[in-house]
Amino acid sequence: DIQMTQSPSSLSASVGDRVTITCRASQGIMNALAWFQQRPGKAPQRLIYVASNLQSGVPSRFSGSGSGTEFTLTISSLQPEDFATYYCFQHNRYPYSFGQGTKLEIK
Amino acid sequence: QVELQQWGAGLLKPSEPLSLTCAVYGGSFSGYYGSWIRQSPEKGLEWIGDINHSGSTNYNPSLKSRVTILRDTSKNQFSLQVNSMTAADTATYFCARGRWLAPFESWGQGTLVTVSS
Repeated sequence: DIQMTQSPSSLSASVGDRVTITCRASQGIMNALAWFQQRPGKAPQRLIYVASNLQSGVPSRFSGSGSGTEFTLTISSLQPEDFATYYCFQHNRYPYSFGQGTKLEIK
Repeated sequence: QVELQQWGAGLLKPSEPLSLTCAVYGGSFSGYYGSWIRQSPEKGLEWIGDINHSGSTNYNPSLKSRVTILRDTSKNQFSLQVNSMTAADTATYFCARGRWLAPFESWGQGTLVTVSS
């Protein structure tokens, strides 16, 4: 099975900061990676698919990059509504798997 | 605007089966995958399995012997059955719809399932 490891597990930042979250796969997954944002009590929402494609309606301050085993999600200028938990997800090989999550908190 | 609505029992006793249904409104199931995901504090987000528009399924081996995913294309619905539920299966269960290379573009609202005697 493919293990997805996110870093950091938690992150404190301020409005306006640039933040980067990393996701590493235990084996190569090409670009079959998506990023999700989850707010408390809500279902996750897709931000990025195929590693770098921005979901329609998602602000352009979100971007994704990477291929193979290392991927990043960058938020260029944090807004108050961005404080949430972020998950990566690989769908290259069954069983599909999520990272453990990165909780982004207000400093 | 596609909307997924899910329903099913939220409180089960150990050994009872779980049955959840997910309906897709405002869009077709044709050409899409229907997936089930669960989330617990202990395990985080866990992919359970999926079914495509032709009925082919894939399951997580951690649950495979107990899980069945079915679809009814005439009703734009798909369902999840998990047998022999235990306390370890207590979680919020989500349904989601997506395409190949574009997973989980739409999600259900989630169902908290508690297994307790």
